[in-house]
Amino acid sequence: AQTVTQSQPEMSVQEAETVTLSCTYDTSESDYYLFWYKQPPSRQMILVIRQEAYKQQNATENRFSVNFQKAAKSFSLKISDSQLGDAAMYFCAYEGAGTYKYIFGTGTRLKVLA
Amino acid sequence: GAGVSQSPSNKVTEKGKDVELRCDPISGHTALYWYRQSLGQGLEFLIYFQGNSAPDKSGLPSDRFSAERTGGSVSTLTIQRTQQEDSAVYLCASSSARLAGGPETQYFGPGTRLLVL
Repeated sequence: AQTVTQSQPEMSVQEAETVTLSCTYDTSESDYYLFWYKQPPSRQMILVIRQEAYKQQNATENRFSVNFQKAAKSFSLKISDSQLGDAAMYFCAYEGAGTYKYIFGTGTRLKVLA
Repeated sequence: GAGVSQSPSNKVTEKGKDVELRCDPISGHTALYWYRQSLGQGLEFLIYFQGNSAPDKSGLPSDRFSAERTGGSVSTLTIQRTQQEDSAVYLCASSSARLAGGPETQYFGPGTRLLVL
């Protein structure tokens, strides 16, 4: 069975600085998708970025980028120029190709310090 | 609608009572998902609906949990004889039709926080 591990329950970053959230996963599948979702206090999960495993190029969305290491089964999220609005829970999720179930990690709470 | 909506936002009930949680997906989305988020945990898959196909109920934790989706749109998650361990946030998500070979992003609602006393 696939598993997703987020080993950092909480992280802090100074405003305007850069922070990296880690995520590792375990799977025997060769084709899959990975996601980072943000959950602010409003509880609404918001997609931050996604990565298709067959793509070697790391996905980037404005200040958010990933470091996808397929052999190491690692999928970290880098947030550059951190803003107060980035404070939230961040969840890493895995979806096997041809399935539809997301498997989530336990999340990392990000605090942004002014 | 503009996004996935869920009601009620919060629900407090007594142990042993039945509760119904509602989800309105994004208009036109054929896939609908229910997840449970317990305190300090990630999201746990409960059930998946896709169009008129039989739902995947493999994530439902017990036979006290059931869900239906009427007319391919609104979904209701029902928990019978609630227990204290059912206390959690129940999140609904929807996505558009899944094309072969590609992911379909799931769009989440704000969830229903259920507290069983």
